[in-house]
Amino acid sequence: SQKIEQNSEALNIQEGKTATLTCNYTNYSPAYLQWYRQDPGRGPVFLLLIRENEKEKRKERLKVTFDTTLKQSLFHITASQPADSATYLCALGTYGYKLSFGAGTTVTVRA
Amino acid sequence: EADIYQTPRYLVIGTGKKITLECSQTMGHDKMYWYQQDPGMELHLIHYSYGVNSTEKGDLSSESTVSRIRTEHFPLTLESARPSHTSQYLCASSPRFGFQETQYFGPGTRLLVL
Repeated sequence: SQKIEQNSEALNIQEGKTATLTCNYTNYSPAYLQWYRQDPGRGPVFLLLIRENEKEKRKERLKVTFDTTLKQSLFHITASQPADSATYLCALGTYGYKLSFGAGTTVTVRA
Repeated sequence: EADIYQTPRYLVIGTGKKITLECSQTMGHDKMYWYQQDPGMELHLIHYSYGVNSTEKGDLSSESTVSRIRTEHFPLTLESARPSHTSQYLCASSPRFGFQETQYFGPGTRLLVL
């Protein structure tokens, strides 16, 4: 069966450090992969998209890698700040612009 | 902030009542989606639409129904609410051109059925 797994435990890091989140998937052949941020009581907000033929994407302090052989994406937040505290969702894009989401990883950045 | 709105934000209702969750977007997006999300769990797609008069069921079976009579409006209806319908419902949209893969989400409706 199809499955998307993100870090099962919450991530607690010190301000200024790099947070690394993992998204692993099985039985999918995604055309692209996205990362969203979700704050409590709010809808997800799009952060980054990476396509199946791309290895790495960057946006400001964010970096995403995509390894279709390992079926894994890594999401990095460098120089983390308390404002980065949120839940981060991995989403796989398949036919017809539908997305399949992981359960998310909650990140808390301590000042 | 995306221009996509959901009302009500919170709803507490008794079993057996009919409810409609509203979703509107002012971005002219042709694709719209409804997701269901329980705390700490992944979003599950329950309905989607690629344009006016187009609606499809998503990956998660749902007793709700949707309609798409206008581009900007995509309401979700539960004819007879049950406690098992208690959840958060998120509406999203994406454009026809440009960044078609990106979905813009509303703030969600948190539903509690007693």
